[in-house]
Amino acid sequence: QSLLTQSPSVSGAPGQRVTISCTGSSSNIGAGYDVQWYQQFPGTAPRLLIYANTNRPSGVPDRFSGSNSGTSASLAISGLQAEDEADYYCQSFDYSLRDYVFGTGTKVTVL
Amino acid sequence: EVQLVQSGAAVKKPGESLQISCKGSGYSFAYYRIGWVRQMPGKGMEWMGIIYPDDSGTTYSPSLPGQVTISADKSISTAFLRWSSLKPSDTAVYYCARVRGDRFYYYLDVWGTGTTVTVSS
Repeated sequence: QSLLTQSPSVSGAPGQRVTISCTGSSSNIGAGYDVQWYQQFPGTAPRLLIYANTNRPSGVPDRFSGSNSGTSASLAISGLQAEDEADYYCQSFDYSLRDYVFGTGTKVTVL
Repeated sequence: EVQLVQSGAAVKKPGESLQISCKGSGYSFAYYRIGWVRQMPGKGMEWMGIIYPDDSGTTYSPSLPGQVTISADKSISTAFLRWSSLKPSDTAVYYCARVRGDRFYYYLDVWGTGTTVTVSS
């Protein structure tokens, strides 16, 4: 049972902006632990998209952006493209579990 | 180029042992932690543990007490994940990844190719 809850699916038309939410609690995101976001295509390894809440590794387009507010975090994809169709996972640390945790995952569909 | 290449898929019977590997290249393997992540079929990801290859210091996820052993041999830039007695519930894809950041703020910046483990009688 994941402590980070994501909506199962989000969809949008090409060019639109979509937002993926990651809802945590006072023992993880709300406690100030960083949130990371990963992108995963079917049958392939995940790829780091955002680290430390808002930072993009080199090579990640600036269409992807991260933000936090209270006990939740969000990943925004602006100018949605067909190649963005994938699963997205958030990740943080939870001090009550003393463990790193991943979100439940969100499937992004480009209409 | 920083790469983590994992060993190939394995098909095992319940009760058998298995060790899978993760070989790093393109960076100083000994000085970056390696994490292991499990992804069960059609499911999300679970953090399993972390090893620091330079001194083999290891931290396991509290949710996996004694189920696996993580080790590393820095002389061959390789980390390992070992089971002594597999169960069908160990069927999953296992990823290694390079760990960055500080304790409690770790993230995974380069991922391995993944190893599919199937346990079935």
